Amino acid sequence: EAGVAQSPRYKIIEKRQSVAFWCNPISGHATLYWYQQILGQGPKLLIQFQNNGVVDDSQLPKDRFSAERLKGVDSTLKIQPAKLEDSAVYLCASSLALAYQETQYFGPGTRLLVL
Amino acid sequence: RKEVEQDPGPFNVPEGATVAFNCTYSNSASQSFFWYRQDCRKEPKLLMSVYSSGNEDGRFTAQLNRASQYISLLIRDSKLSDSATYLCVVRGRGSTLGRLYFGRGTQLTVWP
Repeated sequence: EAGVAQSPRYKIIEKRQSVAFWCNPISGHATLYWYQQILGQGPKLLIQFQNNGVVDDSQLPKDRFSAERLKGVDSTLKIQPAKLEDSAVYLCASSLALAYQETQYFGPGTRLLVL
Repeated sequence: RKEVEQDPGPFNVPEGATVAFNCTYSNSASQSFFWYRQDCRKEPKLLMSVYSSGNEDGRFTAQLNRASQYISLLIRDSKLSDSATYLCVVRGRGSTLGRLYFGRGTQLTVWP
């Protein structure tokens, strides 16, 4: 079974530039998550989708971050404009459903460096 | 206060050693607990869920103490391949059901 796919794997940009990340979840997984992992910390949820609807975006910095999952499958996360503190690994995860013991499967992540 | 607190280590142990990691969580209503493993520059992967009665998977034993809001992971007979960061994870409830709260991770290095 194919895992969660993400691209690009690495991105280097200058501050104030824009950047977009793409995620393709495991086939059939209704729930999709975007996490931010800063070096030395655990991942922190940015946004969660159930099919194409947003379930939880309370920790998304909406002044600069946006995300969409238009057809309930692939998702994109955008940062505009980027700041130095956005340097992190952006992890996409998916799960079959939204339930207490449902396992979240993570993609390899996109490493972003903002200069 | 952070949702999940974890000692970052690092822990450096010889092969064959027994090592234990601990973490505490702040929300007493939490009901789902996990340990994830993250290899260097890789994504987190589920190691095991943690149940109230405690559970074991080969050399790994997880325990939960709800009264103290404390979770532990014990690794027996450490292998070189156990070297990784171990993340303590608690799942949200209600409106944050899907949200996983991660500790900062405990780094383990097993040396020959």
